[in-house]
Amino acid sequence: QVTLKESGPGMLQPSKTLSLTCSFSGFSLSTSGMVVSWIRQPSGKSLEWLAAIDWDGDKYYNPSLKSRLTVSKNTSNTQVFLKITSVDIADTATYYCARSRQLWVMDAWGQGASVTVSS
Amino acid sequence: DIQMTQSPSLLSASVGDRVTINCKASQNINKYLNWYQQKLGEAPKLLIYNTNNLQTGIPSRFSGSGSGTDYTLTISSLQPEDFGTYFCFQHNSWPTFGSGTKLEIK
Repeated sequence: QVTLKESGPGMLQPSKTLSLTCSFSGFSLSTSGMVVSWIRQPSGKSLEWLAAIDWDGDKYYNPSLKSRLTVSKNTSNTQVFLKITSVDIADTATYYCARSRQLWVMDAWGQGASVTVSS
Repeated sequence: DIQMTQSPSLLSASVGDRVTINCKASQNINKYLNWYQQKLGEAPKLLIYNTNNLQTGIPSRFSGSGSGTDYTLTISSLQPEDFGTYFCFQHNSWPTFGSGTKLEIK
């Protein structure tokens, strides 16, 4: 059974760095073609794809946010991380991680982690 | 960025109705178009990928079509569990989602 779970700080102050973790099981990120993406959704709004990392360690970033994003994975290929620097209120959202077995076909999602940026 | 315009933004339909949701891209996306369903408080669920491929486990009343810039999700006979918000998602270039269509059951 494929499961993904996001974890994060819940709340943080403007200008800080947001660190998120996606822990998953039921698949291996070392399998050829596998990708884990990060997507966010402000309350009541649409979704925004942020970043992804694939089985070979290649990284993909939303061009409009690229300067603030860093995606990485652990050496055992069981977790993926996302850092967003210099957060502001506009970064308040639910953050999801999702698995793809072929690029951009995100077929398994985590439950989401709510992040609020507030002073 | 490729902009994805969904229509309608709100749709109210009855059980048994045939329902269509449209997604128009700002440029040709070469059929790299997925559809997701999201219920309140839940993560999105993949329904259709690459325009017309039904994801495993998704009922056959869901289908997708389109080419170029214009794409459609069709539900052939609406069921009560189909309420929710539907998003299109293009991955021809850097991925972007549509604005969403909220489907209400009458």
